[in-house]
Amino acid sequence: EAGVTQSPTHLIKTRGQQATLRCSPISGHTSVYWYQQALGLGLQFLLWYDEGEERNRGNFPPRFSGRQFPNYSSELNVNALELEDSALYLCASSFHTQMNTEAFFGQGTRLTVV
Amino acid sequence: DQQVKQNSPSLSVQEGRISILNCDYTNSMFDYFLWYKKYPAEGPTFLISISSIKDKNEDGRFTVFLNKSAKHLSLHIVPSQPGDSAVYFCAASIIQGAQKLVFGQGTRLTINP
Repeated sequence: EAGVTQSPTHLIKTRGQQATLRCSPISGHTSVYWYQQALGLGLQFLLWYDEGEERNRGNFPPRFSGRQFPNYSSELNVNALELEDSALYLCASSFHTQMNTEAFFGQGTRLTVV
Repeated sequence: DQQVKQNSPSLSVQEGRISILNCDYTNSMFDYFLWYKKYPAEGPTFLISISSIKDKNEDGRFTVFLNKSAKHLSLHIVPSQPGDSAVYFCAASIIQGAQKLVFGQGTRLTINP
């Protein structure tokens, strides 16, 4: 069974541009979570989508947004990129409301803003 | 406000010895704790977890201890093997709360042959 898959693996963008990151959850999982891991920091919670709706967001500015599609895959969009947005972006999925006890992560997208 | 803290950025242990990774938390509402392991270029993988109703959980070479009064948990790996070299993250959650895990900064464990 396929795990959580993310694309692209690496992404290089210029400051001010927009980045789109994609995530496909494990089959049967309806919840998708996005985390940011900046250099030297732990994983910071970004967004939670469940059943197509945004359910919760972390302490990030509105230029971080996303959506979840009917097949439960998800996109994370980062607008007006800043240098400090350079980080590893991780997507995780779980069954509905089971993130707190069980979540599976993808390999991440390494975003570099130059 | 760092609610989950791993104060040791790195730890080096000899193969065959015990590795002890520590984690402290500040939010007394946390009632579920997890350890994840992360290799370079891979996502974190779940290792072991513990509910606040327990003070110990064991799975093979891995044991997690929880001291609620001290708001402290630790992961013991015995015996340590070279394949255990990775970054270890502890995470905490509130089971009936918002669906999110709060992570520590991670500890890089290196097992020396």
